[in-house]
Amino acid sequence: AQTVTQSQPEMSVQEAETVTLSCTYDTSESDYYLFWYKQPPSRQMILVIRQEAYKQQNATENRFSVNFQKAAKSFSLKISDSQLGDAAMYFCAYRSSYNNNDMRFGAGTRLTVKP
Amino acid sequence: EAQVTQNPRYLITVTGKKLTVTCSQNMNHEYMSWYRQDPGLGLRQIYYSMNVEVTDKGDVPEGYKVSRKEKRNFPLILESPSPNQTSLYFCASSPLGAGLHTEAFFGQGTRLTVV
Repeated sequence: AQTVTQSQPEMSVQEAETVTLSCTYDTSESDYYLFWYKQPPSRQMILVIRQEAYKQQNATENRFSVNFQKAAKSFSLKISDSQLGDAAMYFCAYRSSYNNNDMRFGAGTRLTVKP
Repeated sequence: EAQVTQNPRYLITVTGKKLTVTCSQNMNHEYMSWYRQDPGLGLRQIYYSMNVEVTDKGDVPEGYKVSRKEKRNFPLILESPSPNQTSLYFCASSPLGAGLHTEAFFGQGTRLTVV
């Protein structure tokens, strides 16, 4: 089964600075989808960004961008110009195209933003 | 408004008292699933359903039941809750097939405490 690993349980960044959250995954599949979700204290799961594995171009959404390295099975999230509202738990997720469309999550990284 | 509605948001119960957490989506999604979120473990899948009357076990199904009699509803049933089922629960839905690249839509979460 696919596994998703987030090796940083906690990260901290100064407001307006840039931070990168790491995610690696293990799979033998060639076609899949990757996501980053944000979970603020409200507990709501909010999609931050998505990446299709067949696309080489890294996805970007405003201040959020990813570094997708398919060969290395790495999918890191970069947050630029960090804001206080970015403080949250961030989950990396993998969705299979084959295995009952299974979605797997990492353990999460708690991001603190310092004013 | 497209949404996944989960109820209740908070629940405290006693060991052995049967309970049901409801989940309903209004997006006509085929795929629905239940996750539990525990610190340091991320989200782990309990059960999933790929369509009406089609359900299957996820990674941590013990102690849980589900049913999918209608496309929009996917209740989670704990026949005899135990304290190790104290957790944060999420229902999610998403399309299948060509919609695989889309995000999973999550409910607001149910904080369950079993004493």
